[in-house]
Amino acid sequence: NAGVTQTPKFRILKIGQSMTLQCTQDMNHNYMYWYRQDPGMGLKLIYYSVGAGITDKGEVPNGYNVSRSTTEDFPLRLELAAPSQTSVYFCASSYDRYNEQFFGPGTRLTVL
Amino acid sequence: GENVEQHPSTLSVQEGDSAVIKCTYSDSASNYFPWYKQELGKRPQLIIDIRSNVGEKKDQRIAVTLNKTAKHFSLHITETQPEDSAVYFCAAWAGNVLTFGGGTRLMVKP
Repeated sequence: NAGVTQTPKFRILKIGQSMTLQCTQDMNHNYMYWYRQDPGMGLKLIYYSVGAGITDKGEVPNGYNVSRSTTEDFPLRLELAAPSQTSVYFCASSYDRYNEQFFGPGTRLTVL
Repeated sequence: GENVEQHPSTLSVQEGDSAVIKCTYSDSASNYFPWYKQELGKRPQLIIDIRSNVGEKKDQRIAVTLNKTAKHFSLHITETQPEDSAVYFCAAWAGNVLTFGGGTRLMVKP
C-alpha cells in the first residue's frame, strides 16, 4: 500500500493564482483531512470529510474549497492565492474517528 | 471548539534522562488523545494514544497518562536517545475533529 500520497511536493504561486492540491489514499479510509502547518507551529484543520460526498469546515477554511467524490481522493482547491497561504499542507486519513491518522508527505506552498 | 495547550515549547535533556511534555484541553467531551512525533522535514507520525476510559498506557520507553477530572494528559519518555529529538504534538478528539497542541521541540544532547 502506498498509504496517503500528495502532489505536488513543492509549488510557488503568484498572488491571485489558483491551484489544486491532490490527495489520494489507498487504505479505504472513511475520514480524510486537510491541515496546514506554518513554520514552527502546530497543525490547523482546514477541511475534513467523513465519507464520499460529505465535507465540513475546520478551524481555518477561508480561501479554500474541497470536494470528495470518491473514497480515495480529497483535493484541496486554493482560489486567489495570498501570501498568508504560504505554508506546508498535509493531507491525512483515518478509518474512523478514534483511530490513527495517517499523514501524507506534505506539499510546501509559497505564495509570492 | 476544543482548545489544546502544550508545554513546554522547547525541552533540552541529556541522553539517558527522562522527558515530560504536558497538555491541557478544554472540552470535557474529548475522549481520544493521540501523540504525534514529527522529525525535521517529515510528516507527523503517531507514537502512542490513550482513550478516555484508560488512565495510563505504556509502550517500551514511552508512556502517556490522562487525568480527565483535571483535563490534562502527559507524555513521558524515559532513557532518552538522540533519535528521540523531534517535535512532539499532543491532540484531543472532540466531535469529528482532532485539535493539536502547539508542539514541543525536544532536543536530546549526546
